[in-house]
Formats: sequence, structure tokens, C-alpha cells
Amino acid sequence: GESVGLHLPTLSVQEGDNSIINCAYSNSASDYFIWYKQESGKGPQFIIDIRSNMDKRQGQRVTVLLNKTVKHLSLQIAATQPGDSAVYFCAENPTGNTPLVFGKGTRLSVIA
Amino acid sequence: NAGVMQNPRHLVRRRGQEARLRCSPMKGHSHVYWYRQLPEEGLKFMVYLQKENIIDESGMPKERFSAEFPKEGPSILRIQQVVRGDSAAYFCASSRDSQNYGYTFGSGTRLTVV
Repeated sequence: GESVGLHLPTLSVQEGDNSIINCAYSNSASDYFIWYKQESGKGPQFIIDIRSNMDKRQGQRVTVLLNKTVKHLSLQIAATQPGDSAVYFCAENPTGNTPLVFGKGTRLSVIA
Repeated sequence: NAGVMQNPRHLVRRRGQEARLRCSPMKGHSHVYWYRQLPEEGLKFMVYLQKENIIDESGMPKERFSAEFPKEGPSILRIQQVVRGDSAAYFCASSRDSQNYGYTFGSGTRLTVV
């Protein structure tokens, strides 16, 4: 079964607010995690990644936090914009040469 | 510098026909992954290939489905005798090496079986 899951299937936020999307994973051996954004009718697009030897990584308006103790991953989007509306997936790399495992996704809707 | 190219974008097949989905990886990428996505669901791994080799096909149904990545040309996902349950979006991703870092996805092929 899936080893990656999400707490919230949908999230609505006001434009300009911060968004937090959560993800739980079950494989403690996973050493690499990625967040993808998927807009309607398109393929998943890489947003940000983090390795297991880190607990935080920042990009442009996005931050990923990793809590290995509770096997939890989150994506924070600052000053959410209408263009951020999409489905967001977390994915984990269980071990070395194995394909990424994806969670079910969270739909983010930005209210103008 | 084209990304991962998938074609066709949309494919309609009648039950019992064959579907062929093509994927050309990014330049310099020799690892290809196929995923399937049902509406409102996540991506389910199907098969992982390198040039001329199937590395992991644990997510691919044993019957009717096959995949290849020949020395020359795109990777092909082939579905024989399609059924309505095969209707889904099929995504291909490629990576430079085997450590799965930095998958790049194509835009997908949306298969509809009527």
C-alpha cells in the first residue's frame, strides 16, 4: 500500500495568506522527499526537495519542513497567489534505486 | 531544450483495441518511469526502464500491459485489449541517473476507453 499520505484533501486560502500543506510518510528509511505541483491538465512540476539530513529548506516563497521523528513533511507557501491553485503532491524515495512513491494530493484553492 | 515529450496528448480507444503511448525523455536522461493517475487521485507507479532494460515493473499489471525503452527511439507503454478501467492519465518521467533525484514529468497522455 501507499506509504505516503496527506492529512487534508482540500485547502482553501485567501489570496495573500500563507498556505500549509501537510504530508505523512511511513517509511523511515526514505532519504529524499519532493513536493510537486500539478495544474489542471498538466503533468506534475517539481517545486522543492529535501534530503533526510536536513529539517528545513527554503525556496522562492516556498519552504519545506521535514520532521523525521514523526515522519511528517510540510510545504509552506508564503503570500499565496491565484497561480498557486493546483494539486500538490508529496513524494518520497524509499531507498536508493526505487521509484518515487506519491501521496494522494491536496487541492489548493486560492480565493481572490 | 525540450522537456519530456509525450504523445499523443489524448487518445480514444474502443474496448478491445490497443493503445500505444510514447515518451521521449529529456536530453541526457536515460531513466524513464511510467505512472498512472485516475481522476482526483495520486500517481501510481507502473514501470521503471533504462535503455533496453526493464528495471522495475512491480506496478504494472501482468496481463495486457507492456513497456519498452529501445536503444533508439522513445519509450512505449502498450496496453492491449483495453477495457474501460484503463481510462486514466498516463505520465512519463525521466531522470539523469538511478538515484531518482529530479524527476521531470511530461504532460501526460489521457486515455479514454469507450
